[in-house]
Amino acid sequence: DTGVSQDPRHKITKRGQNVTFRCDPISEHNRLYWYRQTLGQGPEFLTYFQNEAQLEKSRLLSDRFSAERPKGSFSTLEIQRTEQGDSAMYLCASTPGRVNEQFFGPGTRLTVL
Amino acid sequence: EDKVVQSPLSLVVHEGDTVTLNCSYEVTNFRSLLWYKQEKKAPTFLFMLTSSGIEKKSGRLSSILDKKELFSILNITATQTGDSAVYLCAVEGPNYGGSQGNLIFGKGTKLSVKP
Repeated sequence: DTGVSQDPRHKITKRGQNVTFRCDPISEHNRLYWYRQTLGQGPEFLTYFQNEAQLEKSRLLSDRFSAERPKGSFSTLEIQRTEQGDSAMYLCASTPGRVNEQFFGPGTRLTVL
Repeated sequence: EDKVVQSPLSLVVHEGDTVTLNCSYEVTNFRSLLWYKQEKKAPTFLFMLTSSGIEKKSGRLSSILDKKELFSILNITATQTGDSAVYLCAVEGPNYGGSQGNLIFGKGTKLSVKP
């Protein structure tokens, strides 16, 4: 499968714990996006990378959230001191950068107890 | 503030019906509008529209953009139960350094097609 992959698919954690998610984009895609989606809502933009550079962060991305793409390939999204309000589906998408047709991964569903 | 509004939020039809889903937007520096289909997983790409009045078609689905009135419609003819999904409209938001920006999504239209 050469699509966008995300790991883990599901994560249950206790409030206050740290969690980290991984996204592997389609190999030739230089742009990578993170979104968060809650029930009944469309995905909300969090941040994106062009190669290893993080170009934009949403104001939704509090100080507890950090994202990296160290070698311009896979990316990680870390949430520190999780809160119940962080429970959501975290989606990753990639695009080759010539056009903005974004290809989404299957998502990581986070549940904070 | 940039926003994308979809209507209706939910719709129930019977197989064979034709449906029209609406998407209106207010976005600075518009570049493109995209439609996605979301079943119980990640959104899958349907169409990207950049020019007014040019219809894009894929099988029973078609879409058109009106940049003057700031809206798009997605039509599905001869609906099937497999069309049941949430249909998301997204508009490319403000960009960074002249290149592509993030997508601003609407809440989606939940379509249920009954046999």
